[in-house]
Amino acid sequence: EDKVVQSPLSLVVHEGDTVTLNCSYEVTNFRSLLWYKQEKKAPTFLFMLTSSGIEKKSGRLSSILDKKELFSILNITATQTGDSAVYLCAKLTDKLIFGTGTRLQVFP
Amino acid sequence: SAVISQKPSRDICQRGTSLTIQCQVDSQVTMMFWYRQQPGQSLTLIATANQGSEATYESGFVIDKFPISRPNLTFSTLTVSNMSPEDSSIYLCSAEREWRDTQYFGPGTRLTVL
Repeated sequence: EDKVVQSPLSLVVHEGDTVTLNCSYEVTNFRSLLWYKQEKKAPTFLFMLTSSGIEKKSGRLSSILDKKELFSILNITATQTGDSAVYLCAKLTDKLIFGTGTRLQVFP
Repeated sequence: SAVISQKPSRDICQRGTSLTIQCQVDSQVTMMFWYRQQPGQSLTLIATANQGSEATYESGFVIDKFPISRPNLTFSTLTVSNMSPEDSSIYLCSAEREWRDTQYFGPGTRLTVL
């Protein structure tokens, strides 16, 4: 079975903290690894990673892929309450296979 | 990116009835997909909506229960048929402009079956 595993399942931090979210996957038919933020219903696209070792950044968020060790991390620095959400990673083969997500709660 | 809208945004339905969810993309896209997200769980792909032909269903999902249409490159519908409380979920459509490009999601439809 093709699996995407995220850790931790949930995380509670205070504003200003830095968090690292983890995503590991199986190598079968791998094309890309995507990260999404889901606040209410719709997942919002964050990053698409295809090449190993190249960091992608958007403001306080950054992500990198390690195709040798089969994992990706999503970093959020100086967290804000608006970062509270479920963060989903998904492996793209001929379809998207989602992990179970990491629920991040940021308190003032 | 693609701008995707869904209707309805939410509905409460009676057991045994059917609901059709519409998905509209602001421009032509290659691929459209339908997902289900049950309470507390991640997204599960129901099917790929193919333009002009029958949808491709994932294991555990069948056409009789989830008929899908895709009459053109910007529009698709998903029907949840003969509903039961177990069908209570968020249903999401997504689209890719190019094959294996980034998938963008619609705002979702929250369905509650009583």
